Amino acid sequence: ETGVTQSPTHLIKTRGQQVTLRCSSQSGHNTVSWYQQALGQGPQFIFQYYREEENGRGNFPPRFSGLQFPNYSSELNVNALELDDSALYLCASSSGGALYTDTQYFGPGTRLTVL
Amino acid sequence: DQQVKQNSPSLSVQEGRISILNCDYTNSMFDYFLWYKKYPAEGPTFLISISSIKDKNEDGRFTVFLNKSAKHLSLHIVPSQPGDSAVYFCAAKNFGNEKLTFGTGTRLTIIP
Repeated sequence: ETGVTQSPTHLIKTRGQQVTLRCSSQSGHNTVSWYQQALGQGPQFIFQYYREEENGRGNFPPRFSGLQFPNYSSELNVNALELDDSALYLCASSSGGALYTDTQYFGPGTRLTVL
Repeated sequence: DQQVKQNSPSLSVQEGRISILNCDYTNSMFDYFLWYKKYPAEGPTFLISISSIKDKNEDGRFTVFLNKSAKHLSLHIVPSQPGDSAVYFCAAKNFGNEKLTFGTGTRLTIIP
């Protein structure tokens, strides 16, 4: 059974650019959540996808968007990058969607640096 | 508004002794709590959870205690081992809500 994987590991972009981060969920999981972890902080919830539909969103602007594919992998897209977007982006997968108290399993993260 | 707080940024404990990590929350709607451990360059790893209908949950060396009236939970690690050195995050959610709300973490260092 493979765990949650994310790509790329590291990424450097400049202000105003756009970025796409990718996540493959753990086998058997149909729900993917994305979190942003700034330096010295805990992860902050961005949004969740359940069976290809957005299933909840945190306090992030619309330039943060996502997709989930039929194989339950997911993308996080960030447009018009700002310096404050520099962070570790974590993807977590789980099963059962929002109706269940279900453990989220995290990938290793993508470190995004915006210059 | 920090709804989940870990007021100790760091903790050092001798190997073999008990490590106690604390977490406070302000949102009374939270009814499910989790602890995650994070090593550098890795994602958080789930350790143990507890629902609000319980006040204690054990898994091997790890025990989580929940005091709902005080809105406080703690993680006890006994005995502490060098491999336990990591950052520990407390997280909370409402049953049926997708969002995990995390604390800022406590860096635990086990001294051999």
